[in-house]
Amino acid sequence: DAGVIQSPRHEVTEMGQEVTLRCKPISGHDYLFWYRQTMMRGLELLIYFNNNVPIDDSGMPEDRFSAKMPNASFSTLKIQPSEPRDSAVYFCASSSGTGAEQYFGPGTRLTVT
Amino acid sequence: GQSLEQPSEVTAVEGAIVQINCTYQTSGFYGLSWYQQHDGGAPTFLSYNALDGLEETGRFSSFLSRSDSYGYLLLQELQMKDSASYFCAVSNDYKLSFGAGTTVTVRA
Repeated sequence: DAGVIQSPRHEVTEMGQEVTLRCKPISGHDYLFWYRQTMMRGLELLIYFNNNVPIDDSGMPEDRFSAKMPNASFSTLKIQPSEPRDSAVYFCASSSGTGAEQYFGPGTRLTVT
Repeated sequence: GQSLEQPSEVTAVEGAIVQINCTYQTSGFYGLSWYQQHDGGAPTFLSYNALDGLEETGRFSSFLSRSDSYGYLLLQELQMKDSASYFCAVSNDYKLSFGAGTTVTVRA
């Protein structure tokens, strides 16, 4: 398996623009997680899905953030409008259900100027 | 909510043994995980303890005491490639809450 795939790997955008991050989980994994990592706040869970259904979005910082999972092999995290404080590395991870071992994608490094 | 404490930095020489402690406070606890992250890379899973005791995986071992809300990761026979950040994480159902991470630097 190719592992969790994320795109783009790097994104530089201007404040106010819409940003869409994409993730393809490992085939057969029922759970998909979106994380954000910054020096100040560490690695924080934003939202997670089970069988394409959002289960817990309590970590989503603001209404500017939204996530969807239209099918088992694709998820998006959208920020609209983006702000400089959204600059971070965004990771997508998937797991097969135990919750213990999550497989992380390579991340998307987002810079908002 | 959850809170986890782990040391911010540890430095050791090649071949040495390093122990990274993690104490946690959480509502709802399924287990304690450890992840490794190299600079610029993604977190990768190392170990998981759901029950008290020691789990050994090669040069790495992890320990959990549920009654003490405490665990540790033991890195043995340190190698240069072990220089990385190590995160403990508590699992509550399917969610992981991560500590701030411990940066391990291995010197020749």
